[in-house]
Amino acid sequence: QSALTQPPSASGSPGQSVTISCTGTSSDVGGHNYVSWYQQHPGKAPKLMIYEVSKRPSGVPDRFSGSKSGNTASLTVSGLQGEDEADYYCGSYAGSNNSVVFGGGTKLTVL
Amino acid sequence: QVQLVESGGGLVKPGGSLRLSCAASGFTFSDYYMNWIRQAPGKGLEWVSYISRSGSTIYYADSVKGRFTISRDNAKNSLFLQMSSLRTEDTAVYYCARVSLGRRDFDYWGQGTLVTVSS
Repeated sequence: QSALTQPPSASGSPGQSVTISCTGTSSDVGGHNYVSWYQQHPGKAPKLMIYEVSKRPSGVPDRFSGSKSGNTASLTVSGLQGEDEADYYCGSYAGSNNSVVFGGGTKLTVL
Repeated sequence: QVQLVESGGGLVKPGGSLRLSCAASGFTFSDYYMNWIRQAPGKGLEWVSYISRSGSTIYYADSVKGRFTISRDNAKNSLFLQMSSLRTEDTAVYYCARVSLGRRDFDYWGQGTLVTVSS
């Protein structure tokens, strides 16, 4: 499967909102609700931020929200804070062989 | 608390072999599906392999099929990745990751172990 498509970069000022898109196909993003988002700070392991399109794990601030329309999923970070500056990856169950396909990552900069 | 600790990475020549380990603690290891996911330097995440709770069902990405072997030892709370016929493009940080119960996302990741394939 091909990687999901994400913009390479996004930015916003503290307190603003920013949305990151993740485009796939009907075989992955558009075919089910198993879309997740991961935050990765430099040199650190990825951290689950959103699962099943829009659900937040315990401990993730409600400033993070997810949605999906057709083959495109989105992550919105509201009330941007400096600690939100990181790389963000979307992931989607790809159906066959229990495989998962990831996006190329988006570097979020807090201006 | 849940912990996943990878080890076994290092420098290896093209065509060589390496065995990665992931020690799990803080949860009932045998209850969870596990995966290996890698990240080449400066690049994105790439799913590598999946193993079911008992080890009876295994899947691989096409890029590693026939060269990598995933396994687990539930008695020792450990996950393994035997890598052979290594190529320069296998250079990456390798993470073990736990699949959330009843879901298809990864709720815990190890800190990763770096594998460098170079002559």
